[in-house]
Amino acid sequence: QQPVQSPQAVILREGEDAVINCSSSKALYSVHWYRQKHGEAPVFLMILLKGGEQMRHEKISASFNEKKQQSSLYLTASQLSYSGTYFCGTPGAGSYQLTFGKGTKLSVIP
Amino acid sequence: GAGVSQSPSNKVTEKGKDVELRCDPISGHTALYWYRQSLGQGLEFLIYFQGNSAPDKSGLPSDRFSAERTGGSVSTLTIQRTQQEDSAVYLCASSRGIRSGANVLTFGAGSRLTVL
Repeated sequence: QQPVQSPQAVILREGEDAVINCSSSKALYSVHWYRQKHGEAPVFLMILLKGGEQMRHEKISASFNEKKQQSSLYLTASQLSYSGTYFCGTPGAGSYQLTFGKGTKLSVIP
Repeated sequence: GAGVSQSPSNKVTEKGKDVELRCDPISGHTALYWYRQSLGQGLEFLIYFQGNSAPDKSGLPSDRFSAERTGGSVSTLTIQRTQQEDSAVYLCASSRGIRSGANVLTFGAGSRLTVL
């Protein structure tokens, strides 16, 4: 079942912060975050594992609330290079398959 | 290879024709995935292969779509009797196939299919 992301799109000025949310109606074992820049392939950012620690990639961090079946991506002091579409992906139990949300388009402007 | 390689990068075809899209995964990656991304849309799962296990075909949208993976390496996605709604970017990804959920996908650059 496809996770739900919010917001669908956000525009930030350089230096501003943003939060992207990902929620699921089914139990989550892990949450994966990928970023896709315009015209490029998606690139792995981080994985949040059940019972694991909050992860960080540069000034991007993420949390995973197993009880609420949701994850949040925190972009701090955004840079122009953060622009792109962010996807969260969730696997099934014991499954390799990742089902992705519809994505959140982030635009950072000067 | 160093990354996931896909060919062709662009394919324009006429409605009703068959097309084949190729994916060459990272050497040693046992899992291979196909996703479809329509313009401005998300990543729609199509199929994945893991080692010698039967592929998970649950995402294939119709019986016009099929895929095979030869020798546990190169994969070909075939679309028969293409329709205009098949127009999209077809992305291939591979991974080490770790069952723990810590399974990192590396995507290829994609094959952009346009059906006229």
